[in-house]
Amino acid sequence: EVQVMESGGGLVQPGGSLRLSCAASGFTFSSNAMGWVRQAPGKGLEWVSSIFGSSGSTYYTDSVKGRFTISSDNSKNALYLQMNSLRAEDTAVYYCAKYGSIMAPHYLDYWGQGTLVTVSS
Amino acid sequence: DIQMTQSPSSLSASVGDRVTITCRASQSVRNSLNWYQQKPGKAPKVLIYAASSLQSGVPSRFSGSGSGTDFTLTISSLQPEDFATYYCQQSNANPWTFGQGTKVEIK
Repeated sequence: EVQVMESGGGLVQPGGSLRLSCAASGFTFSSNAMGWVRQAPGKGLEWVSSIFGSSGSTYYTDSVKGRFTISSDNSKNALYLQMNSLRAEDTAVYYCAKYGSIMAPHYLDYWGQGTLVTVSS
Repeated sequence: DIQMTQSPSSLSASVGDRVTITCRASQSVRNSLNWYQQKPGKAPKVLIYAASSLQSGVPSRFSGSGSGTDFTLTISSLQPEDFATYYCQQSNANPWTFGQGTKVEIK
């Protein structure tokens, strides 16, 4: 059974840092792709970042480039999102999700339950 | 960035109704269009991928159609468990973008 589960959310001051983790199981993590999607309170969904396990290629939405870093540890079946220079507008529930296919067209087929990040003084 | 526009933003319907939600892209996304369902406090769930492919385990009352810039999600006979918010999402180009959502409520 495929499972993904996020952790690491919490309250952080503006300008601070936080690292989110996502534990994955039930599929071949190293040959798949994973992504982070966030949802601000009462708002819609926003794709944040993706990583392809086989190539290590990474992608980011413009608003987080230079501040967030996505990475993975294939030996631990774990995905990470290092978030630096956090801003109030980064406040959201962050979801980790697995790609349904590494070949296009891409989609996200398994999602975690989400972890809340609150950026506030 | 490719802008995704859904219509309507909300709708009221009764159990058994046929419901149609449309999604328009600001430029062609070919068939790289997905539909997700989200219930309050829960993670999104994929219903349709690649414009018209039904995700495993999703009831056949859900269907998707379209290509290029215009897409449709249809629920053939609305069930009580279908009251939720629906999002379209394009994966043809980075950054992936989502529509603003369509909230389906009970009439």
